[in-house]
Amino acid sequence: SAVISQKPSRDICQRGTSLTIQCQVDSQVTMMFWYRQQPGQSLTLIATANQGSEATYESGFVIDKFPISRPNLTFSTLTVSNMSPEDSSIYLCSVEGRVNTEAFFGQGTRLTVV
Amino acid sequence: KNQVEQSPQSLIILEGKNCTLQCNYTVSPFSNLRWYKQDTGRGPVSLTIMTFSENTKSNGRYTATLDADTKQSSLHITASQLSDSASYICVVSARNNAGNMLTFGGGTRLMVKP
Repeated sequence: SAVISQKPSRDICQRGTSLTIQCQVDSQVTMMFWYRQQPGQSLTLIATANQGSEATYESGFVIDKFPISRPNLTFSTLTVSNMSPEDSSIYLCSVEGRVNTEAFFGQGTRLTVV
Repeated sequence: KNQVEQSPQSLIILEGKNCTLQCNYTVSPFSNLRWYKQDTGRGPVSLTIMTFSENTKSNGRYTATLDADTKQSSLHITASQLSDSASYICVVSARNNAGNMLTFGGGTRLMVKP
């Protein structure tokens, strides 16, 4: 299993500002995943972050809005840039175990943009 | 297009009663199916994971079934407790060259009342 520490756990931000979310894993992992969960909805993958290469973004998400860093095999950050109220969501980081094992999630960052 | 459909969207039961949640999927090539429990304000936590050859798997009071022919899964909760109140998410994994690609269901929101 993997233990994931994500912070901040919640924040209230002014529109037009940016917030950086940190994700620390207690073991080395190749890929880390960032998800968004809008109120009452299920999870939507934002991007996959590999160490040493640029993140791969899903349709509808762009690097300018959600820049990601992956400086080593245990750490990643997601920045939500130039925020608007529509960005109010829970943001989660996740890692996969070995093949056919479950994914592990951080506790999430609840972001409110006012 | 890979899809995971869950039913019902929400459910209210009395403490001590049993309930069954449904998951239908069209995901290819199928790798595994997972059920997660997500408490309000928390990240999802794995309950079970099943591969193609597994028909049933239990985790305490949670029993998941998988019918790979009909592409259906169910999660049965026995003798429900107030702490079972949460969202239950069915996630189906497809295996490709990049690794596991997860498709999330919309979740079933369960409320257990005393």
